Amino acid sequence: GAVVSQHPSRVICKSGTSVKIECRSLDFQATTMFWYRQFPKKSLMLMATSNEGSKATYEQGVEKDKFLINHASLTLSTLTVTSAHPEDSSFYICSARGIIFSGLSSYNEQFFGPGTRLTVL
Amino acid sequence: RKEVEQDPGPFNVPEGATVAFNCTYSNSASQSFFWYRQDCRKEPKLLMSVYSSGNEDGRFTAQLNRASQYISLLIRDSKLSDSATYLCAVAGVVGNKLVFGAGTILRVKS
Repeated sequence: GAVVSQHPSRVICKSGTSVKIECRSLDFQATTMFWYRQFPKKSLMLMATSNEGSKATYEQGVEKDKFLINHASLTLSTLTVTSAHPEDSSFYICSARGIIFSGLSSYNEQFFGPGTRLTVL
Repeated sequence: RKEVEQDPGPFNVPEGATVAFNCTYSNSASQSFFWYRQDCRKEPKLLMSVYSSGNEDGRFTAQLNRASQYISLLIRDSKLSDSATYLCAVAGVVGNKLVFGAGTILRVKS
């Protein structure tokens, strides 16, 4: 399957600092990228959807000024958690969707990055 | 009512057992359905898509019941390595966003 990378995999930071997380599609062009957050023993909650070159669409209850998303190219999206607080500690996962070509076939599928575990002290 | 609901479990089963999970969804306009597997502290990985006609992949069988708005996953001959959390996901038309259930925990014991 296609590969999506995330960096960093783990972040520990002090309250009030900003943290940037990168999400890259390594072997396909991602027309759409999604950012999720998952608290322990809870489901993945979609935070926002971003399309290359346009503003992200945020889900209800997600502060766009708190969670800045930039989808600068078809292979890179970044999520910046601004002025992080302990309640922002969570597992942040991106996913990328694009057309994958396999032989004579092509299919549209969504692939997840390995996630970033953020701990705010 | 949540958009996608699952029994959280845990389901504790012996090796070799057959186990089934159900997942209900509330939006009748949903178009696509998936089962994902998530291991502890890892990202979800696509297990299989769910088609109207049902589909099978080895020991795994997925089915869709549109009338009752649920999807199911059947695992035959459970292996220790099947222990994980199984997430169902549903996508609608708007933005084709995936909405996940909270997951069902499966523990296969020897």
